[in-house]
Amino acid sequence: EDQVTQSPEALRLQEGESSSLNCSYTVSGLRGLFWYRQDPGKGPEFLFTLYSAGEEKEKERLKATLTKKESFLHITAPKPEDSATYLCAVAPPNSGNTPLVFGKGTRLSVIA
Amino acid sequence: ETGVTQSPTHLIKTRGQQVTLRCSSQSGHNTVSWYQQALGQGPQFIFQYYREEENGRGNFPPRFSGLQFPNYSSELNVNALELDDSALYLCASSPGQGANEKLFFGSGTQLSVL
Repeated sequence: EDQVTQSPEALRLQEGESSSLNCSYTVSGLRGLFWYRQDPGKGPEFLFTLYSAGEEKEKERLKATLTKKESFLHITAPKPEDSATYLCAVAPPNSGNTPLVFGKGTRLSVIA
Repeated sequence: ETGVTQSPTHLIKTRGQQVTLRCSSQSGHNTVSWYQQALGQGPQFIFQYYREEENGRGNFPPRFSGLQFPNYSSELNVNALELDDSALYLCASSPGQGANEKLFFGSGTQLSVL
């Protein structure tokens, strides 16, 4: 069964303290890996899609990278407004109707 | 451009009751997916509708059912509610049915079953 594992479950950073979140997956023939941000009581908000190993994408203080078995979300000099749950999801290789499989997320708290 | 809207935002029901949740998809999107998110968990896929037909279903019992209307809005119906159905129910629309399509989520309906 396809599986997506995110680590750590929770991360507490001081403002300006850079770190990385990890997403490992067991899907073969990945058709895409997605990162979403979710604020409490809200729906996930799209951040990035990565399609192939070696690909990188950046948005403000966030950079996502992809290898054959995992993805990292690097957060550089975070601010308190970056506090949220970050979800990773993979698109398995099967038919077009196969849905995204989400991990449980990493809860990030950035303290001023 | 109007985003995905869901109603109601919060709902309290008792065990055994039935509930209907509603979703309006983003303009131009013909595909709607529903997800259940329990506290501290990632979203779990319930089903997907494409042009008014169900075209994918997750591991949920038949008491979870849905509809999609000609304007691509959608409903999620849950019969015989159980305590474990308490969760945030998320609707997501996309411009196509492929699994690698970017999903646009609504803010969800928080359902509490007592």
